[in-house]
Amino acid sequence: QVQLQESGPGLVEPSETLSLTCTVSGGSITTIYYHWTWLRQLPGKDLEWIGYIYYTGTTYYHPSLKSRVTLSVDTSRNQFSLRLSPVTAADTAVYYCARYESTLRLFDPWGQGTLVTVSS
Amino acid sequence: QTVVTQEPSLTVSPGGTVTLTCSSSTGAVTSDYYPTWFQQKAGQAPRTLIYSTTNKESWTPARFSGSLLGGKAALTLSDVQPEDEAEYYCLLYYDGYWVFGGGTKLTVL
Repeated sequence: QVQLQESGPGLVEPSETLSLTCTVSGGSITTIYYHWTWLRQLPGKDLEWIGYIYYTGTTYYHPSLKSRVTLSVDTSRNQFSLRLSPVTAADTAVYYCARYESTLRLFDPWGQGTLVTVSS
Repeated sequence: QTVVTQEPSLTVSPGGTVTLTCSSSTGAVTSDYYPTWFQQKAGQAPRTLIYSTTNKESWTPARFSGSLLGGKAALTLSDVQPEDEAEYYCLLYYDGYWVFGGGTKLTVL
């Protein structure tokens, strides 16, 4: 059974770079049809889809975040990563990683989420 | 700016039926938007209930169903149980990216 776990700093200073990693266990990140996804939930409870990446490196981003987001994948470590720069207080959120199955159009499973606060 | 709209809150009595809807600022929602519904309870990550309009996850109770209704995606809960009290989010696909609705807080009272 595939499990995902987010990791990274819980506090980032404004104008700096937010970097998170998602480790995939119980399955290979190179499995076809799976896209590896980042989402976030803002303090007001709004959810946002940030983007996803295929193991080949092909990426898809939300238009509103595209200029600040970079997704990458490390197949040797079975991990994928999110970089968001520069950040502001509005980027304070719980960040989730998830698997997206492109033939079913299914987001499952999700990681437990990690809170990132942007503050000086 | 694409906007997906849900009812902010709904209240239903135990044993009753309630329908949550999800509309798009671009027009009628069709199956090409692959509507997805998530349930989120306090302190937990969202969990998929319905994907691609009507398909259920293995853990989705039979009383939950997804459909298209009057140009919107819809999630219907029948024989509502107290444990169904939660936040429900819809998610729609737009030519390369996805957009969440603002969520519906469902109260069972």
